[in-house]
Amino acid sequence: EDQVTQSPEALRLQEGESSSLNCSYTVSGLRGLFWYRQDPGKGPEFLFTLYSAGEEKEKERLKATLTKKESFLHITAPKPEDSATYLCAVGGSGNTGKLIFGQGTTLQVKP
Amino acid sequence: EAQVTQNPRYLITVTGKKLTVTCSQNMNHEYMSWYRQDPGLGLRQIYYSMNVEVTDKGDVPEGYKVSRKEKRNFPLILESPSPNQTSLYFCASSRSGTGSYEQYFGPGTRLTVT
Repeated sequence: EDQVTQSPEALRLQEGESSSLNCSYTVSGLRGLFWYRQDPGKGPEFLFTLYSAGEEKEKERLKATLTKKESFLHITAPKPEDSATYLCAVGGSGNTGKLIFGQGTTLQVKP
Repeated sequence: EAQVTQNPRYLITVTGKKLTVTCSQNMNHEYMSWYRQDPGLGLRQIYYSMNVEVTDKGDVPEGYKVSRKEKRNFPLILESPSPNQTSLYFCASSRSGTGSYEQYFGPGTRLTVT
């Protein structure tokens, strides 16, 4: 069964304190791994797509990496505006186009 | 601007009163999908559409209907809403339904059924 697990559930950082979010996945044949940012009451905002182990993508203070079993979202020198819930998803192995989402990591960055 | 739009954004209704939530995308995407998001349950797929006139059930389709008569539009219909359909709903679209492409989400519709 396709499954995505994110850790930690919640993370509190001081501004400038770098850290990483983890996404472990189980899927039959990875079609794509996706990272999203979601602010309260809003739609998930697409950040990155990763396809193969060893791949990395960067955007401002965020860098996503991928191995055969997990992905990491590294946040370097975060700012309060980086506070949000970060969602990881994989393309499901059935022919539905469905994304299988993790429960998310809620990040709070304090000034 | 490339986007997915939904209307209404907020809706309070009563049990049994039919309603439609509209969804439209301007990216010429083939694939569209509806999700609901509930605390502790995450995002769950309701219905999806691989292309015009091609729709199918997701994980939680009971109580919902959809149609895809045009490529850009994918309305969600609740024929007889019940309180357990109170939720935050998102429409999403993607280049294709292979699971290999990112999905772009709308801003959400917060539905309350009393």
